[in-house]
Amino acid sequence: EVQLVQSGAEVKKPGESLKISCKGSAHSFTTYWIHWVRQMPGKGLEWMGMIYPGDSDTRYSPSFQGQVTISADRSISTAYLQWSSLKASDTAIYYCARENVDYRFDSWGQGTLVTVSS
Amino acid sequence: QSALTQPASVSGSPGQSITISCTGTSSDVGGYNYVSWYQQHPGKAPKLVIFEVSSRPSGVSNRFSGSKSGNTASLTISGLQAEDEADYYCISYISSSSRVFGGGTKLTVL
Repeated sequence: EVQLVQSGAEVKKPGESLKISCKGSAHSFTTYWIHWVRQMPGKGLEWMGMIYPGDSDTRYSPSFQGQVTISADRSISTAYLQWSSLKASDTAIYYCARENVDYRFDSWGQGTLVTVSS
Repeated sequence: QSALTQPASVSGSPGQSITISCTGTSSDVGGYNYVSWYQQHPGKAPKLVIFEVSSRPSGVSNRFSGSKSGNTASLTISGLQAEDEADYYCISYISSSSRVFGGGTKLTVL
């Protein structure tokens, strides 16, 4: 079974930068799209964007375009989600998920809680 | 893209069946057979229960089933059990560059 392991919880101040990670199994990481999903406190899931680690082709939801950057390092089977200047409204749990060829998210990371507070 | 429309909550008694709807447009739910459903228990990551509208992953109970009519997909859970109490989300393919989730439905087993 494919496993995605995310980096640990973060507590940051507004205006700070942050990069969280999602590490997958080496043998298949580069051949599937990796998605990022936001879940704000007590709220639903929101699709943020996706990356194909094989060539770093990246697509964003219009709601998140320009607000975050998705990247990947195929050599270490890791995808990233980063912010250059955090806001309190970025406080949420962020999940990565692998999308299979039939568009199902068949593997999820455990989630990374990001708390932004002064 | 606007979120797909799901009822905020549904409830049922043990043993009963419930259905959760997921309404979109001809550009998402109605245009493709790529709707999947996820179950999320509090404090846990989502778990796939249905993909491609009506396919069930191995290991998921056959009490879970999916269907679609026009722009509305549906998840039905039969023989409700206490462990089914959770939040449920649909998601649809829109294009090679986009996906959209439903707002989520809280299932309460009475």
